[in-house]
Amino acid sequence: ELKVEQNPLFLSMQEGKNYTIYCNYSTTSDRLYWYRQDPGKSLESLFVLLSNGAVKQEGRLMASLDTKARLSTLHITAAVHDLSATYFCAVDRTSGSRLTFGEGTQLTVNP
Amino acid sequence: DSGVTQTPKHLITATGQRVTLRCSPRSGDLSVYWYQQSLDQGLQFLIQYYNGEERAKGNILERFSAQQFPDLHSELNLSSLELGDSALYFCASSSTGQGVEQYFGPGTRLTVT
Repeated sequence: ELKVEQNPLFLSMQEGKNYTIYCNYSTTSDRLYWYRQDPGKSLESLFVLLSNGAVKQEGRLMASLDTKARLSTLHITAAVHDLSATYFCAVDRTSGSRLTFGEGTQLTVNP
Repeated sequence: DSGVTQTPKHLITATGQRVTLRCSPRSGDLSVYWYQQSLDQGLQFLIQYYNGEERAKGNILERFSAQQFPDLHSELNLSSLELGDSALYFCASSSTGQGVEQYFGPGTRLTVT
């Protein structure tokens, strides 16, 4: 059974600081997705990582994928309050299309 | 706005009742997925349809069923509702059935009292 684990689950950080969210998964997959969710809202796609070594950046967020280590990271640079949200990673098993989600990381950026 | 629509946005009903949640995928997308988000279970995959046919099944209860119609919209039917079925139900769509980005709808919040 595919398991996806994120850490930390809760992250409180100050504006201007850097931090990394980690996503580990248990079985082989070449496709990893990062989503953002604001309270009571839908999931917004942030990054799609499709191969080993993939790195994508958008604004203050950068995501990377190491399929050999079964690890993805979401790095936050110089955090701002608008980044406060819950971030989910999800893995798409190579044999299928369903997404298996991590528990989510609830990020709070304080002024 | 992802282009995926879901109705209704909110639904409040009593235990034992039956409800239907509706989803319209993005224009051109053939695949529809249903997910359930609850505090205790997190985000869980329920079921996938591709071009009218069931493609994959996840942690979907026997009391729940779904279908995808010829116009590609999908409905999720929940029956004999229990308090524990209270959750946010998301529909997502993608262009094909495998290995591509899924776009999520706004969700239907179901409250069972």
